[in-house]
Order: sequence, then structure tokens, then C-alpha cells
Amino acid sequence: AQKVTQAQTEISVVEKEDVTLDCVYETRDTTYYLFWYKQPPSGELVFLIRRNSFDEQNEISGRYSWNFQKSTSSFNFTITASQVVDSAVYFCALSGDTGNQFYFGTGTSLTVIP
Amino acid sequence: DTGVSQNPRHKITKRGQNVTFRCDPISEHNRLYWYRQTLGQGPEFLTYFQNEAQLEKSRLLSDRFSAERPKGSFSTLEIQRTEQGDSAMYLCASSLEGWNEQFFGPGTRLTVL
Repeated sequence: AQKVTQAQTEISVVEKEDVTLDCVYETRDTTYYLFWYKQPPSGELVFLIRRNSFDEQNEISGRYSWNFQKSTSSFNFTITASQVVDSAVYFCALSGDTGNQFYFGTGTSLTVIP
Repeated sequence: DTGVSQNPRHKITKRGQNVTFRCDPISEHNRLYWYRQTLGQGPEFLTYFQNEAQLEKSRLLSDRFSAERPKGSFSTLEIQRTEQGDSAMYLCASSLEGWNEQFFGPGTRLTVL
């Protein structure tokens, strides 16, 4: 079975603080991909990153960074120096070895207070 | 290409009526997906097409739901005899084959009265 858990339902931070969004996944597949999407108040899901199960290197893109650890089945997302525009719901998703469908977590709603 | 488009953006209907939604994917994408999202939840997979073939359907998809992608381009999702529990945001996404990221449309928000 494929499952993604985002235990943090809502997080509030003050602008310029760093924040980490947690994602824990379950799968029996040896090949899988993990994704993060952002859903701003306008509603459209925006792709942020894709990571395959064989690549545990952390990735940094501007203020965003991702920490993938197979040992703990986690794929956490950190925003450094948060900004008001980062306020959104963030979803972690898993795609198994068939690559046919995505399994989404329930999302973490991030509010950045000015 | 401007991305995935969906029409209508909003639909209000009375219980028991049929509704149809349309999705136009990114033109070079051969995979097209339908998801349903309710408040406070992540998108839930409904079905997907590779070109014109519908290859997988979720057990969530009751027999009142049907989807088509007749020429491998746009897709329609029809809900017959709508129920209040069908009220949700219906999302369409497209991608290239394989484990590529899916690009989502703005969704159609359905309200069943």
C-alpha cells in the first residue's frame, strides 16, 4: 500500500523565520518518486520538486531545500527566511513503481505572518 | 502552451442532475489524470488515461462517474444523478509518460444542492 502522512495540519511563522514541513511515506516499491506541490489561495497546484528513490542527495533551490532520508522514509521540505508569499497549502505526494498515480498527503497549511 | 485548462470553473447543480466537466491538457502530454479534492484533504486519484485509453480507475469512482478522452487530447468527466457528497473540487492533471511531474489545472468546483 502507498501512503503519505503530513502530520502538521497548520503552521504559522513570522516572516523571515525558517520552517520545515514534514512528510513521511510508506511504500513497498523499490522504485518510487516523491513530489512536493504548493497550493496557494488561488487554488492551482504548483509543482515544486521531484525526487527518485535512488537519489538521496539533498537539494536546494533558492530559499527552498529538501531532505530525503530513506532510512526514516521521510522527505522534508524547508523554507528559509519565509515570506508572506509562501503562505499556501503544501502537499507531499508519492508515485510508486508503475508511475501511474500519485498518492497525496493531507497537506500542511502554512501561514507566514508579516 | 498555457498549461492545463478546465471548464467550467464553477458548477452549481441540483441533486439528481447530470454534469460534465472538460479538461484540456498540455498538448504534448500523453497522460491525463482526474482527481477529486475536498476541503482539508489532498487530491484523491479517480482515473487516468494514456492517450485515449483509460488504464486505471479508482475504487472511489462509482458507476455514476464516467470519463472519456476520445482522441487522446481533451477529456470529459461526467457525473450522473449527482449527490450532495459529490460536492468537491475536480482537478485535472497531465504529464508525459513515466514518473514525470503532473501539471494541474485550476479545477472545477462542483456544488450539489
